[in-house]
Amino acid sequence: QLQLQESGPGLVKPSETLSLTCIVSGGSISSSSYYWGWIRQPPGKGLEWIGSIYYSGSTYYNPSLKSRVTISVDTSKNQFSLKLTSVTAADTAVYYCAGRKAVTPNWFGPWGQGTLVTVSS
Amino acid sequence: AIQMTQSPSSLSASVGDRVTITCRASQGIRDDLGWYQQKPGKAPKVLIYAASTLQSGVPSRFSGSGSGTDFTLTISSLQPEDFATYYCLQDYNYPHTFGQGTKLEIK
Repeated sequence: QLQLQESGPGLVKPSETLSLTCIVSGGSISSSSYYWGWIRQPPGKGLEWIGSIYYSGSTYYNPSLKSRVTISVDTSKNQFSLKLTSVTAADTAVYYCAGRKAVTPNWFGPWGQGTLVTVSS
Repeated sequence: AIQMTQSPSSLSASVGDRVTITCRASQGIRDDLGWYQQKPGKAPKVLIYAASTLQSGVPSRFSGSGSGTDFTLTISSLQPEDFATYYCLQDYNYPHTFGQGTKLEIK
């Protein structure tokens, strides 16, 4: 059964780079069956899709974050990563990684449990 | 980007009630819409995908309908475990966009 687990610092200073990793277990990240994505949720607010990556390296980003976001895949470690540069307090959120089936019909799942990242000096 | 307008933003209901949540897309998205349930401190989980297909293991009291721009999630008889926040998500194109959420509370 496919499982995802986020990891990374829980505190990042303003103007620095947020870096998170999602470890995939129970299946190969190189599977053509899935896209891999990041979604975030500021405290008490709704969900925002950040971006997705296919095992081939094709990436899709939210235009609202595109200039600051990089998502990459490391097939040797069966994980994918998120980097968000020049963070501000507005980037404080729970960050989720999730798989999304690559063929229709599709949906987001499974999800990691989420990791809270706070941007503060 | 496609805007997803979800309503209501909050809803108070009793166990056994029938409730309906709606999502309207700013342009046609075929049936590329999912409904997700999120409980406090937990990741969302899919209930419905392709607008009307019940995810495996989800109780049959949940149902979805719609196509194009207008979609509904219906819970036929609320159970205590259904009190949560519900989101629609369009994955018709990029960027994927969520509705604002509906918080379902106990009356």
